[in-house]
Amino acid sequence: KNEVEQSPQNLTAQEGEFITINCSYSVGISALHWLQQHPGGGIVSLFMLSSGKKKHGRLIATINIQEKHSSLHITASHPRDSAVYICAVVETSGSRLTFGEGTQLTVNP
Amino acid sequence: NAGVMQNPRHLVRRRGQEARLRCSPMKGHSHVYWYRQLPEEGLKFMVYLQKENIIDESGMPKERFSAEFPKEGPSILRIQQVVRGDSAAYFCASSPLYRSTDTQYFGPGTRLTVL
Repeated sequence: KNEVEQSPQNLTAQEGEFITINCSYSVGISALHWLQQHPGGGIVSLFMLSSGKKKHGRLIATINIQEKHSSLHITASHPRDSAVYICAVVETSGSRLTFGEGTQLTVNP
Repeated sequence: NAGVMQNPRHLVRRRGQEARLRCSPMKGHSHVYWYRQLPEEGLKFMVYLQKENIIDESGMPKERFSAEFPKEGPSILRIQQVVRGDSAAYFCASSPLYRSTDTQYFGPGTRLTVL
């Protein structure tokens, strides 16, 4: 079992829909990151969370430390949001990022 | 302020050759991380370095792989005697300080193809 599990693996939505991607982890963490990997392969850091909720534009990320769960929400989705979204955690015992397998999001016009 | 730079962006090697991948962190960043993404797989941590020190190399294969981050110049990930299984995208990331709450800034990656 992976230490970081994401769901769903693949998600197809229509433009304008509200999207949720989930991340569960099984280890103690000091921080959780959400990353976006574009079709060309580049990786952008979207959020870093250690508690609570963060919002940036149409993106919202939440984390529940007790339940070891985080969600990434996209409101009013757009085709340009199509990408792979990756959850990654920093374990309390170390410095490395441990990644989920990613969620491939496709938003159709 | 330029972002994290990696070169080359694409590298083709024949089996048995050496591959050298370079990463220049963002200005002012002294922490560098290397990650590997095998085809159709997720990202995996390889090594974490500070200037002149390897802090965590627990993700590095035991043989043929080495990394350095000298006092001057870029960080180098070196793969000796490459094999087809080394074909992957190699990303580096940098951060200004080590805190678990620091954002890591990723480079564009080097795509290594071993023929």
